[in-house]
Amino acid sequence: DTEVTQTPKHLVMGMTNKKSLKCEQHMGHRAMYWYKQKAKKPPELMFVYSYEKLSINESVPSRFSPECPNSSLLNLHLHALQPEDSALYLCASSQEASPSGETQYFGPGTRLLVL
Amino acid sequence: AQSVTQLGSHVSVSEGALVLLRCNYSSSVPPYLFWYVQYPNQGLQLLLKYTSAATLVKGINGFEAEFKKSETSFHLTKPSAHMSDAAEYFCAVSEAGSYQLTFGKGTKLSVIP
Repeated sequence: DTEVTQTPKHLVMGMTNKKSLKCEQHMGHRAMYWYKQKAKKPPELMFVYSYEKLSINESVPSRFSPECPNSSLLNLHLHALQPEDSALYLCASSQEASPSGETQYFGPGTRLLVL
Repeated sequence: AQSVTQLGSHVSVSEGALVLLRCNYSSSVPPYLFWYVQYPNQGLQLLLKYTSAATLVKGINGFEAEFKKSETSFHLTKPSAHMSDAAEYFCAVSEAGSYQLTFGKGTKLSVIP
């Protein structure tokens, strides 16, 4: 089973709202990732968690706050977003936590619209 | 630094025709290369991965790709296109020692009945 699940599928929020995106995998993978994908563009890496610790933060604004409560779950907390943050947010996971070309398995994404 | 160039942002083929999607990479060390497919309003699905075990890599849905070091290419092919192949295809590269998965800009494949 190579399934990564994400909830919700769609989210509409105002600029003053606080919301969270959730990602879950039960493959025993030790690395999890958040990507942002704008329309007609490739995914852009936001965060990498390795063994539940934040390994990479690609200079993402603080209005995005990741959290990894355990090895199967990854959250992305959203607060005071801007309309330009509207995008498809993709979660991915890979088996090993070492950076060695591991295959990343993607979830279906959460389509976020910020009004 | 690694980078990926996908030639052709949009490719149209007739149903039953050969599919050829081009990918060239730039990497300072032997890379790991991937092809992903994204159907409308969905996440990315792995088609295939090159890891130096064999230069011709077979993937899912009848796709395959050939690694050519001399040409720094990893083109994706399928002998006969199906309507269900219509999607966005991304080539990606990763280097040993890096978490970074660098994507190309993507190629949208349209299949004409």
